[in-house]
Amino acid sequence: GENVEQHPSTLSVQEGDSAVIKCTYSDSASNYFPWYKQELGKRPQLIIDIRSNVGEKKDQRIAVTLNKTAKHFSLHITETQPEDSAVYFCAASNSGYSTLTFGKGTMLLVSP
Amino acid sequence: DAGVIQSPRHEVTEMGQEVTLRCKPISGHNSLFWYRQTMMRGLELLIYFNNNVPIDDSGMPEDRFSAKMPNASFSTLKIQPSEPRDSAVYFCASRDLAEEQFFGPGTRLTVL
Repeated sequence: GENVEQHPSTLSVQEGDSAVIKCTYSDSASNYFPWYKQELGKRPQLIIDIRSNVGEKKDQRIAVTLNKTAKHFSLHITETQPEDSAVYFCAASNSGYSTLTFGKGTMLLVSP
Repeated sequence: DAGVIQSPRHEVTEMGQEVTLRCKPISGHNSLFWYRQTMMRGLELLIYFNNNVPIDDSGMPEDRFSAKMPNASFSTLKIQPSEPRDSAVYFCASRDLAEEQFFGPGTRLTVL
């Protein structure tokens, strides 16, 4: 089955800096890669996703890049703000009725 | 739409008692997932249903856990008998054909 590894497990940045979280996956058939943000005590919420037919997707301060050859994808947050502090999860799946395989999560701390 | 609804939000019970968690998926979503989240093990998929049929229950930890989906708008996860190591946050999620998966608010279970 699919295996998703996520790094780093924790990331501390100063407000205004950029943050990058990286994930690798094992199943070359995977073609859907969402990122979830989970604030303390809350549910995971989808913030951005990418499909294998594109290499990059942006939404304001958030961007995701995908390298299918190397089987890795990354989340980039620019101009970080304290409210970006949360745990971020990457995931991968083979489209259709398959399940998401989640990484272990990255705790991002943005200091004012 | 109110999103995925879970009840109860918090449950405290004693070891050996039966626990039933409930979920109402988003209307029109045809896939439903039960996850368990702990600090040690992260986000684990327990079971998922497609069109009310259980597809993969390989994540169900033991025979003490069972899940049902009698119709498209309701699912239950039952633990009988409960044990302290079952203490966790249990999330229900549902998904539409576009693959975006939405999580419910979770049930925080504490087994004393």
